[in-house]
Amino acid sequence: QQQVKQSPQSLIVQKGGIPIINCAYENTAFDYFPWYQQFPGKGPALLIAIRPDVSEKKEGRFTISFNKSAKQFSLHIMDSQPGDSATYFCAASEGAGANNLFFGTGTRLTVIP
Amino acid sequence: DSGVTQTPKHLITATGQRVTLRCSPRSGDLSVYWYQQSLDQGLQFLIQYYNGEERAKGNILERFSAQQFPDLHSELNLSSLELGDSALYFCASSVSQAANTGELFFGEGSRLTVL
Repeated sequence: QQQVKQSPQSLIVQKGGIPIINCAYENTAFDYFPWYQQFPGKGPALLIAIRPDVSEKKEGRFTISFNKSAKQFSLHIMDSQPGDSATYFCAASEGAGANNLFFGTGTRLTVIP
Repeated sequence: DSGVTQTPKHLITATGQRVTLRCSPRSGDLSVYWYQQSLDQGLQFLIQYYNGEERAKGNILERFSAQQFPDLHSELNLSSLELGDSALYFCASSVSQAANTGELFFGEGSRLTVL
């Protein structure tokens, strides 16, 4: 059973567009929600992360929106660039001392010049 | 470059065989995680070691085993291989024991193809 559900599976946007990737979870014990970016042939790398005490976090052109009551969080990429073309994974981890990150199934983003 | 080194990068073998994947974590990182990435399942957590001891187990098959050595490198052993074991196997490392207290640094993966 997938602990974190991610959509869409793939996304194509024009340069300058704002792709949005959504994730949902059921486990209310989750308290850490990172996003990882993976380029072809490379391992995932941490992009940005949020904890449930805030509803939004921005780092450069990347923003996480978090809705605790709906158990959903999303990644927005402002002014998207062809270099942002990659696979994006949301993830979640529960409680203090949690040893595991549960990953979504990934979204393949293509930004067309 | 994440600082995590995985070998081999590619491996092709036959069903029923056994392979060993190796991971060297970033300098100073005590935790090593193993993940399996397949097209339809995304990243699936297999197992975690911290400073030589097993800390958590995920969806790891009984045919698979792992260990972390005193120099902190880790090996993932896959035996009695089946076609369905074909996947990318990632190793990640972190300083802390808990996955929710910091960043996991991933290697570039070992691509296993079972024919």
